[in-house]
Amino acid sequence: KNEVEQSPQNLTAQEGEFITINCSYSVGISALHWLQQHPGGGIVSLFMLSSGKKKHGRLIATINIQEKHSSLHITASHPRDSAVYICAVRAQAGTALIFGKGTTLSVSS
Amino acid sequence: DTAVSQTPKYLVTQMGNDKSIKCEQNLGHDTMYWYKQDSKKFLKIMFSYNNKELIINETVPNRFSPKSPDKAHLNLHINSLELGDSAVYFCASSLGGGRGFYEQYFGPGTRLTVT
Repeated sequence: KNEVEQSPQNLTAQEGEFITINCSYSVGISALHWLQQHPGGGIVSLFMLSSGKKKHGRLIATINIQEKHSSLHITASHPRDSAVYICAVRAQAGTALIFGKGTTLSVSS
Repeated sequence: DTAVSQTPKYLVTQMGNDKSIKCEQNLGHDTMYWYKQDSKKFLKIMFSYNNKELIINETVPNRFSPKSPDKAHLNLHINSLELGDSAVYFCASSLGGGRGFYEQYFGPGTRLTVT
């Protein structure tokens, strides 16, 4: 079992819908990252958080340390949000990220 | 103004060859990483260097040898390439080895195809 589990694996939505992607992890962490990988392959860091909630534009990330769970929300989804969203954690004892398998989001107009 | 750059972007080579991928960052970071993304798009750490010193070396065949000539560069040399080495290799960098809360910046990736 992977130390970082994401759900759903694939997600399709209509433009304007509210999107939620979930991430659960089994190790102690110092930080959790949400990354976005576009169809072209580049990886961009969206959020890094260790508690509470962060918001950037239409994106919101939350984390519950006690439950070892994080969610990424996209409000008013748009076709340009179509990408793979990857949850990754930094374990307390090290620096390297441990990745989930990603959620492929496809938003149609 | 590229923050983390990798060369080449694409690399096609035959089994048994030796090849290198170069990575450079101009962010002033002191920690650099190599990740491998397999055909199922799953990312996994290979190596991590902090101030030119190896700090993480996951279970990677010793045909892979990272080299860090200085803090801004981390190159990956691969000997005797095998079909299973075909993947996308991402370089990344961040501040601070050890425990920390540092964002990682990724290079554009190098797509290696071994035929």
